[in-house]
Amino acid sequence: QKEVEQDPGPLSVPEGAIVSLNCTYSNSAFQYFMWYRQYSRKGPELLMYTYSSGNKEDGRFTAQVDKSSKYISLFIRDSQPSDSATYLCAFFVAGSARQLTFGSGTQLTVLP
Amino acid sequence: EAQVTQNPRYLITVTGKKLTVTCSQNMNHEYMSWYRQDPGLGLRQIYYSMNVEVTDKGDVPEGYKVSRKEKRNFPLILESPSPNQTSLYFCASSTSPTLYEQYFGPGTRLTVT
Repeated sequence: QKEVEQDPGPLSVPEGAIVSLNCTYSNSAFQYFMWYRQYSRKGPELLMYTYSSGNKEDGRFTAQVDKSSKYISLFIRDSQPSDSATYLCAFFVAGSARQLTFGSGTQLTVLP
Repeated sequence: EAQVTQNPRYLITVTGKKLTVTCSQNMNHEYMSWYRQDPGLGLRQIYYSMNVEVTDKGDVPEGYKVSRKEKRNFPLILESPSPNQTSLYFCASSTSPTLYEQYFGPGTRLTVT
């Protein structure tokens, strides 16, 4: 079983749609839960992070973590063409000073 | 402007010809990492460095070398590249000991024929 599973997509939605991106994980030691966004021909950039179960909101973006089910989600409200990118979930164990564990990424296209 | 730079951005080479990909950051970050990104596999860490002269292996270090002689630079060396090292490579840096927020360079697309 892979440590992190992420639906690769591609996902194509019309402008204004609500987008749901999801990852499941198997490592109970993961403590930080992150979403990175990667535009074409660019490096990933941190979009949101959280370290507890529940929801965290930042503008049109909401990150949701369910530790009991080992499941994280990113919701994008009122999606815009500028949201078109690959979204990577990432996980981290505090104090490991070693590495982030990334999902394989979901490619999202928001059509105008 | 705070940034991580990588050079070259694109490189096509032949099997066995030594190459170096440079990485430099201007944010005075202590932590730097190298990742490779492959379809379906996501980003996998190759090597990381906690500080000058302190480096350690990530998940996929075979066939790679690194050095950290200065804080700002963290070159990735492929002494004898092979076709299975064809990939998209990212350098990243971080100031946080938790490392969850990393700043990535623009990537280097390497093709080994």
